[in-house]
Amino acid sequence: AQTVTQSQPEMSVQEAETVTLSCTYDTSESDYYLFWYKQPPSRQMILVIRQEAYKQQNATENRFSVNFQKAAKSFSLKISDSQLGDAAMYFCAYRSEAAGNKLTFGGGTRVLVKP
Amino acid sequence: DAMVIQNPRYQVTQFGKPVTLSCSQTLNHNVMYWYQQKSSQAPKLLFHYYDKDFNNEADTPDNFQSRRPNTSFCFLDIRSPGLGDAAMYLCATSREWGGRRETQYFGPGTRLLVL
Repeated sequence: AQTVTQSQPEMSVQEAETVTLSCTYDTSESDYYLFWYKQPPSRQMILVIRQEAYKQQNATENRFSVNFQKAAKSFSLKISDSQLGDAAMYFCAYRSEAAGNKLTFGGGTRVLVKP
Repeated sequence: DAMVIQNPRYQVTQFGKPVTLSCSQTLNHNVMYWYQQKSSQAPKLLFHYYDKDFNNEADTPDNFQSRRPNTSFCFLDIRSPGLGDAAMYLCATSREWGGRRETQYFGPGTRLLVL
């Protein structure tokens, strides 16, 4: 079974600075997708960024970018120019092409943004 | 705006008293999901519907049931809630089950308290 591990329970960043969240996963499959979801306090979880395993190029969405290292099974998220609205729980998630749309989530990292 | 709506946002029930949580969507998606998220943990998939086809996760307790009377609505029934069932319950939707561009859209969740 696939597992997703986020080793940082909490990260703190100064406003306008950069923070990197780590995620590792374990799988024997070659075709899969990786996601970072953001869950603000008392608000719904939203997709931040996604990466398809067959793509070597790292995904980027505005201030959010990933460092996808397929051989190392690592998928980190970098938040640049951090804003107060970035404060949230961030979940890394894995989805296998063979398992339909089932997501396996990591345990989450809480990001605190200091003004 | 098209969205996933969950009612109520907070639900208090008594130990052993059946409770129903509600989810509706205006996205006209085929797939609806229910997740359980305990405090500071990753969301855990309980089951999903593809249209009217119900799919239970192997480790979902029998105490949890679901109904989907039409495309828009899906209900989570907890027949005899125990203290361990206190959690945030997340509803999500996706257009299809599988496919390279599929993404899940989450509702804000219902926080269940069992007294």
